[in-house]
Amino acid sequence: NAGVMQNPRHLVRRRGQEARLRCSPMKGHSHVYWYRQLPEEGLKFMVYLQKENIIDESGMPKERFSAEFPKEGPSILRIQQVVRGDSAAYFCASSQESQGNYGYTFGSGTRLTVV
Amino acid sequence: GNSVTQMEGPVTLSEEAFLTINCTYTATGYPSLFWYVQYPGEGLQLLLKATKADDKGSNKGFEATYRKETTSFHLEKGSVQVSDSAVYFCALSDRDDYKLSFGAGTTVTVRA
Repeated sequence: NAGVMQNPRHLVRRRGQEARLRCSPMKGHSHVYWYRQLPEEGLKFMVYLQKENIIDESGMPKERFSAEFPKEGPSILRIQQVVRGDSAAYFCASSQESQGNYGYTFGSGTRLTVV
Repeated sequence: GNSVTQMEGPVTLSEEAFLTINCTYTATGYPSLFWYVQYPGEGLQLLLKATKADDKGSNKGFEATYRKETTSFHLEKGSVQVSDSAVYFCALSDRDDYKLSFGAGTTVTVRA
């Protein structure tokens, strides 16, 4: 069984470019969550999506960041006009249902470096 | 709001040593508590969990007990191996909530 697949594993962008991070949930999972891990910090919740719907984006910066989970294809986290402070590891997780008590399955992450 | 405070690392141990990583939390209700492990180059994996007071989570020789009176969920293992070298994260979620709040992580290195 394939787990949560994230790509690319590593992404380098120059300041001002766009970064697109992809996440394919586990088979049968329809709930996707994005977390960001800044250096020396724990993971912070960004956004929760179901197919074609954003359920909770309370952790997402108001500008330059957007997320989608289309009917077909992976979930995409898009960061426009990246800045050095966006350098972090971005993790995606998926679940069958919204059950935080049971935890969910994380991908291996995308490590974004802005130069 | 919810928050998790973990023992700062890094922690370096010899094989077969005893490992303790302290974790305390602040939450408004009765959260569920988790320990996640992140091996080098990999994503986080759920190591163990406890959903109510006095529950003990255990897996792969690791244990943690949900202590409501001290708001703690310390991780322990009696005899570590080199393969236990990883970053360990304590986390919590409100009951029936999907958001996890994480501690900053503790890097553990076990030397042969």
